[in-house]
Amino acid sequence: EAGVAQSPRYKIIEKRQSVAFWCNPISGHATLYWYQQILGQGPKLLIQFQNNGVVDDSQLPKDRFSAERLKGVDSTLKIQPAKLEDSAVYLCASSLGMGQGYNEQFFGPGTRLTVL
Amino acid sequence: DAKTTQPTSMDCAEGRAANLPCNHSTISGNEYVYWYRQIHSQGPQYIIHGLKNNETNEMASLIITEDRKSSTLILPHATLRDTAVYYCIASPPYSSASKIIFGSGTRLSIRP
Repeated sequence: EAGVAQSPRYKIIEKRQSVAFWCNPISGHATLYWYQQILGQGPKLLIQFQNNGVVDDSQLPKDRFSAERLKGVDSTLKIQPAKLEDSAVYLCASSLGMGQGYNEQFFGPGTRLTVL
Repeated sequence: DAKTTQPTSMDCAEGRAANLPCNHSTISGNEYVYWYRQIHSQGPQYIIHGLKNNETNEMASLIITEDRKSSTLILPHATLRDTAVYYCIASPPYSSASKIIFGSGTRLSIRP
């Protein structure tokens, strides 16, 4: 079974530039999550999708971050314009959904973003 | 979701059992205890979860106290590859709105 795929793995940009990250979840997983992990901290949930609908985006800085999950499969997370404090690892995760009962999330390898 | 408290760091000798404690004194009756770990430069990995009973799988054992206010993750024979940050999380059963909230975790170092 293929895992959660993310690209790119690394990205270096200058502040005020734009950047986009892509995630392809495990096939059949209804729920998709984007997390931000700053060095030395645990992952922080940015946005959660159930199929192609947003369930929780309360921690997403909506003035600069946006995300979409067209057709309920893969997803993109965009930052425009980037700030220095956006330097972090962006993790994508997916879970099976309602049929499982418990919340086992499968994580991708992450995208390490450096904003100069 | 209930807050959990874990030691910042621990170490264990290779081949010995690693016992990682977690306090979750405000856990609700329907909240599961989850454990995830994150090896350096990788995404977190699910280890195990439990509600009331002790649980065991191929990776670890989870011991939950009878009052459910604390738990211990046991890695029975720690190897160098078990060096990672371990997260203990309390969260309700899966729903479209349920989420896993990660704290700072315990940094476990396995020494040769």
